[in-house]
Amino acid sequence: DVKVTQSSRYLVKRTGEKVFLECVQDMDHENMFWYRQDPGLGLRLIYFSYDVKMKEKGDIPEGYSVSREKKERFSLILESASTNQTSMYLCASTYPGQAYEQYFGPGTRLTVT
Amino acid sequence: GQQLNQSPQSMFIQEGEDVSMNCTSSSIFNTWLWYKQDPGEGPVLLIALYKAGELTSNGRLTAQFGITRKDSFLNISASIPSDVGIYFCAGPNSGGSNYKLTFGKGTLLTVNP
Repeated sequence: DVKVTQSSRYLVKRTGEKVFLECVQDMDHENMFWYRQDPGLGLRLIYFSYDVKMKEKGDIPEGYSVSREKKERFSLILESASTNQTSMYLCASTYPGQAYEQYFGPGTRLTVT
Repeated sequence: GQQLNQSPQSMFIQEGEDVSMNCTSSSIFNTWLWYKQDPGEGPVLLIALYKAGELTSNGRLTAQFGITRKDSFLNISASIPSDVGIYFCAGPNSGGSNYKLTFGKGTLLTVNP
């Protein structure tokens, strides 16, 4: 079974804090993705990575950065958290050669106060 | 950009009833994916379709890849309370990176016992 884990299920941070969200997959997947999910807006891609140290901006990268130093781990960084970044954050990964079938982690519900 | 329109936005049904939902686009898709998201969890991949006209089943779920390649359908037979959740369709973006998916906004299913 594919296993994608996220470091926290729930997180509360203050405005201006630097926030790290971690995602780990144990299936040697090449591609990893970070999304945020908001009511009425659906899933929106923030960043994705197709290899170690490689990254590409998604549709809403502003206010976020990412890090992929090891194949199994993909981190999302909020440099200075703001209240409009309160959201559900979802990580996903795909098998090599099956780039479209994304497997999601359980999500991190982040609240910025 | 590409958009996927899901219909209906929400459904309220009685346990035991069959359910049909669809996903349409003005653009051609070469792959259709159907996901289910339980409350507070990440989406889970249900079915992947790769060929126009393809009909694929996963237990009580059946999905079809429309012949025009601009739509897809998901049916659930004999619904049960654990079918509650949001059902998303998704497909790969045309042009640009092959890794990116477009997601519909989802169909919220409620099953009354």
